[in-house]
Amino acid sequence: NAGVTQTPKFRVLKTGQSMTLLCAQDMNHEYMYWYRQDPGMGLRLIHYSVGEGTTAKGEVPDGYNVSRLKKQNFLLGLESAAPSQTSVYFCASSIMTGYGYTFGSGTRLTVV
Amino acid sequence: GQQLNQSPQSMFIQEGEDVSMNCTSSSIFNTWLWYKQDPGEGPVLLIALYKAGELTSNGRLTAQFGITRKDSFLNISASIPSDVGIYFCAGQRAGGTSYGKLTFGQGTILTVHP
Repeated sequence: NAGVTQTPKFRVLKTGQSMTLLCAQDMNHEYMYWYRQDPGMGLRLIHYSVGEGTTAKGEVPDGYNVSRLKKQNFLLGLESAAPSQTSVYFCASSIMTGYGYTFGSGTRLTVV
Repeated sequence: GQQLNQSPQSMFIQEGEDVSMNCTSSSIFNTWLWYKQDPGEGPVLLIALYKAGELTSNGRLTAQFGITRKDSFLNISASIPSDVGIYFCAGQRAGGTSYGKLTFGQGTILTVHP
């Protein structure tokens, strides 16, 4: 049972490039989330999904897009990367409200 | 923006010492959670609290859900080197529009000297 798997683990982008981060979970969880972690700021919610085909904005959605075409996958896209998007990105899933998350191991993204 | 204030921001302690950290909020939460993050990994759930006043233990860890529902505390007794990491509190609201979203504190970086 892999839990939540994120790919890639590391990536360096040039300003203006685009990329997609993939999150896959095998626990049949309904809810999935994308967070970014920056020093001294904890984890901030970018986008989330409450089920297949649904997405919603979180606290810091600007510059990101997401898609959830299949229940087990949640994709985070950067259309035109900026240095301010240098961060560690975590995907998480939850079975329902009132339960904690299962996190992936993160993607470290550097935009130069 | 960020609604949880977690303190202290960092702690340097000797092995065997007890540790306390806390989280306060301007808003009421219905669930409080404590996570630990090891270097290069995602946060892992340590303790979940679901009722005001609740006191829950997990081995050497004890956490409490404040009676005002605006705060929570985590204590670690007899610290050991593997306790090193970042500890996060997180609050969750109930209700149909919460969708399980968590609000996280800024984290407490714990260093344990052997």
